[in-house]
Amino acid sequence: EVQLVESGGGLVQPGGSPRLSCVASGFSFSTYWMSWVRQAPGKGLEWVANIKQDGSEEYYVDSVKGRFTISRDNAKNSLFLQMSSLRAEDTAVYYCARVGAYYDMDVWGPGTTVTVSS
Amino acid sequence: DIQMTQSPSSLSASVGHRVAISCRASQTISNYLNWYQQKPGKAPKLLIYTASSLQSGVPSRFSGSGSGTDFTLTITNLQPEDFATYYCQQSYSSPFTFGQGTKLDIK
Repeated sequence: EVQLVESGGGLVQPGGSPRLSCVASGFSFSTYWMSWVRQAPGKGLEWVANIKQDGSEEYYVDSVKGRFTISRDNAKNSLFLQMSSLRAEDTAVYYCARVGAYYDMDVWGPGTTVTVSS
Repeated sequence: DIQMTQSPSSLSASVGHRVAISCRASQTISNYLNWYQQKPGKAPKLLIYTASSLQSGVPSRFSGSGSGTDFTLTITNLQPEDFATYYCQQSYSSPFTFGQGTKLDIK
């Protein structure tokens, strides 16, 4: 079964630096671009970042550039999102997603919630 | 950045009826337009990619059309499980922006 499972969320203080993880199974992880997408409480979806199969290219939404870093470990079928300088507006459910051939997102994890609050 | 605008923001419909949701891009995106369905507390699910290609396993009552800047998701013969929020998303250029969503509920 094709599956993505995120972890690493929780309550974080403003300015904190949590690291989110996503473990993939059931497909050849190293052959796909991967994404992080987030959803603030009661709001719509926001694409956060993409990373190429070999990690050689990364793209970010402007609001997280310089604060978040996407990375991957193909040997461990894992995707990461290193977050830093967190703000209240970063509070959201963070989803890991597999990127399809047309940059659609065809497989999603259940999400992990990050709450930024003192 | 490419802005995606969906209309309407919400709509009510009855089981068995047909609905259409529109999505407009602020500049041409060819056919790099995807549609997702999201139910409360769940992850989004890909329905349509490249404007009109049906994702594997998605019922044929879902269809997509359009190219350039104007796109439509049509659902015929609405089923109880179709009441959800629908998002369009452009995958033409980074940042890969989503529409604000359309909430479909039961009349």
